[in-house]
This record gives sequence, C-alpha cells and structure tokens, in this order.
Amino acid sequence: DVVLTQSPLSLPVTLGQPASISCRSSQSLVDSDGDTPLGWFHQRPGQSPRRLISEVSNRDSGVPDRFSGSGSGTDFTLKISRVEAEDVGVYYCMQVTHWPHTFGQGTKVEIK
Amino acid sequence: EVLLVQSGGGLVQPGGSLRLSCAVSGFTFSDSWMNWVRQTPGKGLEWVANIKPDGSDKYYVDSVKGRFTISRDNAKNSLHLQMNSLRDEDTAVYYCTRDRLSHWGQGTLVTVSS
Repeated sequence: DVVLTQSPLSLPVTLGQPASISCRSSQSLVDSDGDTPLGWFHQRPGQSPRRLISEVSNRDSGVPDRFSGSGSGTDFTLKISRVEAEDVGVYYCMQVTHWPHTFGQGTKVEIK
Repeated sequence: EVLLVQSGGGLVQPGGSLRLSCAVSGFTFSDSWMNWVRQTPGKGLEWVANIKPDGSDKYYVDSVKGRFTISRDNAKNSLHLQMNSLRDEDTAVYYCTRDRLSHWGQGTLVTVSS
C-alpha cells in the first residue's frame, strides 16, 4: 500500500501567522492520465472531514484563499497563509492514484 | 445543496451483521462513484470500499473482502454497506462519501463488542 507520511504531526501556531504541512508519498502519485489526485482535508472535533483541496492545488468551493496546495510526484505541501481560529483541527492528505486509496496519519493544528 | 444522510450502525456482537445506508440528494447520484470510509482513533482514516456509478465494479480494502458488500440503488439515490462477520477491529465511525471525497455524510458509529 502507498504510505503517506505527514509532518509535523502536531503544529502549534500563532493567530495570523503562516503554517505549513508536508505530505510525502512512498510512491509517485501521478496517475495514468498524467494527473495527480492528491487531496487535503480538514476535520474539526466532532465533525466529518471536509475536503479543502483536490488535484494537489485546486481549492474546493467556499474554501478561503488563505489555503493553498502545491507539490508534485511524491512531495506535497498544504499552506495556510494566515491562520485563523477556525482553522484548528486535524488535516489529512489523501491519494486515490493507487488502490487501496490511503490517507496520511493527520496533523493536529492548534493555537498557541 | 448536496446532502448525504446516513442511517444504521450501532452495537453488535463479534460475528454479527449490520447494514449501513446513505440517502443522497443535491447531485446526480447515478453519475457518481461512491465510497465508504471509516475512522478509528488508532488507525485514523481508512478507505473501506467504493462502487462505480452503474454498480458494475466494486473495490474493497483487503481487511473487509469477503465480509463487507457495497451496493447502490440509483433509482432511490441510496448507498449501502452490508457488514457481515464483524470483528472488534471493525469498530469505527463509518462515513458515506462522494467521488473523491468531495462530500461526506455525518458519520455513524459501529461498535463491535461482546
């Protein structure tokens, strides 16, 4: 199975400051069409996860533009340009290039 | 508005069975891949199964093959997960999700315990 390794696992941040989460894959996530279906999700306590980004860098509808995704091949990054209080929770990366589809272990973002 | 409303779940003894359902609205169900994903405190998020729009192809994670069956009724806009021979390690919150997880149900807790 493809292993997605996120770092850090815990990220204390100051309101208004940037934050960055890394997701590294054990295999290339480029699919047979040349696309890279790597997504990022945010989960608040007691809620279902919500997709923020698909295909490495495409923000979902309603997602603030302070969130951005980048990367290629096996290395990917989620960045928050200025952290707001509502951004706390756990962030996951996910791949659907290879079966079984897999998730990273999660990065917990909290306010300092 | 896209809605995925789940039902089913609960407490079951090891070896028992449960059926989860997901009623959807707000999008063309018959055009969408659908999935079940589960979450446990220990293992995090795990993709359990998915099914092609017309139901002709289904995929399962190895740990549930032969025990779980994903199905859909496109006429009723509903998705199902039949879970048999349940084990302690199947205890989790199960989510119904659309396509590449663009939308999620509210989740339903399945507890396997004697």
